[in-house]
Amino acid sequence: QSVLTQPPSASGTPGQTVTISCSGSSSNIGSRYVFWFRHLPGSAPQLLFYTNGRRPSGVPDRFSGSKSGTSASLAINGLRSEDEADYYCATWDDSLSAWVFGGGTKLTVL
Amino acid sequence: QVQLVQSGGGVVQPGTSLRLSCAASGFSFSSYDIHWVRQAPGKGLEWVAVIKYDGGHKFYADSVKGRFTIFRDNSKNTVYVQMDSLRAEDTAEYYCANGQYCSGGTCTDDLFDIWGQGTMVTVSS
Repeated sequence: QSVLTQPPSASGTPGQTVTISCSGSSSNIGSRYVFWFRHLPGSAPQLLFYTNGRRPSGVPDRFSGSKSGTSASLAINGLRSEDEADYYCATWDDSLSAWVFGGGTKLTVL
Repeated sequence: QVQLVQSGGGVVQPGTSLRLSCAASGFSFSSYDIHWVRQAPGKGLEWVAVIKYDGGHKFYADSVKGRFTIFRDNSKNTVYVQMDSLRAEDTAEYYCANGQYCSGGTCTDDLFDIWGQGTMVTVSS
């Protein structure tokens, strides 16, 4: 049971916009920036965006994030087949004094 | 070349120990916090631990607290995680990554833009 809750799966067709949600609490998302990662098995995770508005160089602006209260979301615009991957949210939890990850969302491009 | 190179993984029996290393090159390692993150087979990402740039503070996931110890040697540009009392559920691919950059008394937000290549740890009898 993850501290941050994500839907286990999401899907979309090429060109569509897909949104992945991440729900937490006041001790994590409610008071901290949320980080979004993409992960393909066999390779290291990649930071996509975090809710301070920072997108690392090389990450397309098709990826964006937002936060409202104790929830956050990642939007992927103009979906492409290469976007198929697992996506994770993460943040620091003040109550646990630890970083926490969501359970991950497997994105399928139909 | 900016990189983190990991070593030390392998197959060990339950109850034994293993040490992973994460060696940095191409950037000012001693100014960065370093995280360890893992992924068990078929599971999601799990944060393991973080160590401040100067080694002064360390934080652990509850799942490894008391069994894992993170430490660093800035003279060798290397962070280690000593894993004791290993359990089957510690079987995972382990990654190190950069966190906050700290200089002159101020720190950035965590960066997570440099990752090690991953190293597999298998705990099995």
